Amino acid sequence: EPEVTQTPSHQVTQMGQEVILRCVPISNHLYFYWYRQILGQKVEFLVSFYNNEISEKSEIFDDQFSVERPDGSNFTLKIRSTKLEDSAMYFCASSDWRGLAGVNEQFFGPGTRLTVL
Amino acid sequence: DAKTTQPNSMESNEEEPVHLPCNHSTISGTDYIHWYRQLPSQGPEYVIHGLTSNVNNRMASLAIAEDRKSSTLILHRATLRDAAVYYCILRPNAGGTSYGKLTFGQGTILTVHP
Repeated sequence: EPEVTQTPSHQVTQMGQEVILRCVPISNHLYFYWYRQILGQKVEFLVSFYNNEISEKSEIFDDQFSVERPDGSNFTLKIRSTKLEDSAMYFCASSDWRGLAGVNEQFFGPGTRLTVL
Repeated sequence: DAKTTQPNSMESNEEEPVHLPCNHSTISGTDYIHWYRQLPSQGPEYVIHGLTSNVNNRMASLAIAEDRKSSTLILHRATLRDAAVYYCILRPNAGGTSYGKLTFGQGTILTVHP
């Protein structure tokens, strides 16, 4: 069964450093998402991406964040200068198009645990 | 986005049915009702969705009230593997500007006892 994969599973970085989290969505999917979950808190939407551009983003997704689909298979989340409060589990998700935005299910990856020291 | 209300936690015994309730009294006519779950240390996983009629799939059943102000996720025979956080999420079918982000609440923590 196709699945979303994410690398690395755990990333440790120093405050102020740049990190890139990588995701390989399911191959025929067209919509891509990043979410994050701070330990003990709810899953929060960060950004959605379609047709090589951001389609929606949350207040969390400020200028320190960027997303890219560099080669047609990978989908990356870059945090330019990490802060302590960026420590969280980051989930990538993808979905196909079924004609109705309210219908398409999202398939999530296993997540990358980001620890900022 | 319309809000959902779920109990913080529920418990069940293995092989017994589980009914997980969700209230969504401010649901709009075009909102789909989705359920996702998150097993320990994993990403969320789609369970089921519906609009007006009750729905069944291999994982669960979804019962939707006639006025759509509430719904119930039914696990027919709980297993230990069903222990997870279950999220009830409303998704607007807005088409043009909404690309289907999921807005998670706190969900219901389901504990399954052997």
